[in-house]
Amino acid sequence: EVQLVESGGNLVQPGRSLRLSCVGSGFIFDDYVMHWVRQAPGKGLEWVSGISWDSNSIDYADSVRGRFTISRDNAKNSLYLQMDSLRPDDTAVYYCAKADGSGSYHTHPPIEYWGQGTLVTVSS
Amino acid sequence: QSVLTQPPSESGTPGQRVTISCSGSGSNIGSNPVTWYQQLPGSAPTLLIYANDERPSGVPDRFSGSKSGTSASLAISGLQSEDESDYYCATWDASLKGWVFGGGTKLSVL
Repeated sequence: EVQLVESGGNLVQPGRSLRLSCVGSGFIFDDYVMHWVRQAPGKGLEWVSGISWDSNSIDYADSVRGRFTISRDNAKNSLYLQMDSLRPDDTAVYYCAKADGSGSYHTHPPIEYWGQGTLVTVSS
Repeated sequence: QSVLTQPPSESGTPGQRVTISCSGSGSNIGSNPVTWYQQLPGSAPTLLIYANDERPSGVPDRFSGSKSGTSASLAISGLQSEDESDYYCATWDASLKGWVFGGGTKLSVL
């Protein structure tokens, strides 16, 4: 059974940093593209960032580019999101998500599984 | 403002057939397959339809997807009370170089 477990969400002041982690199990972690997707309270889904299996291909949403950094450690079956210069509009549940195995990063395989999410609140 | 446009809400009665639309452009739906997700209240999204019209195992055949040009649709036949949920369309946008989602449609079963 595929499991994705996020951690690291917290209340943080504007301008500060936070690092989210996600541990995957039940699949061969380094075979798959991984993503972070967020959902602000009462709002829709917003893709944040994606990373290829070998970390050679990475993309970011315009809203976070230059402030957030995605990374992965395949030896630890882990995905990370370093979030710097946080703003109140970054407040959201952040989901770790696994793409399906239908292709490489550049063929854009769809997200197949989602974690339960971790809440990040940016407020003074 | 979402890149993909969905109606904020739809409704139907048990047993009825409802459709949810998703409108985009040539850089997203027009050139990439569409995925649909269901998000039950208080839960993470789950995959409903991928590659425009393919159902993962375990998804009832009451759910179907289609795509034409720069628009896609999700159809739910034989509506059931447990279908009351939020539904999102998604695809890759080649211009934005990222995944884009619709704003979500809240389906009510009356």
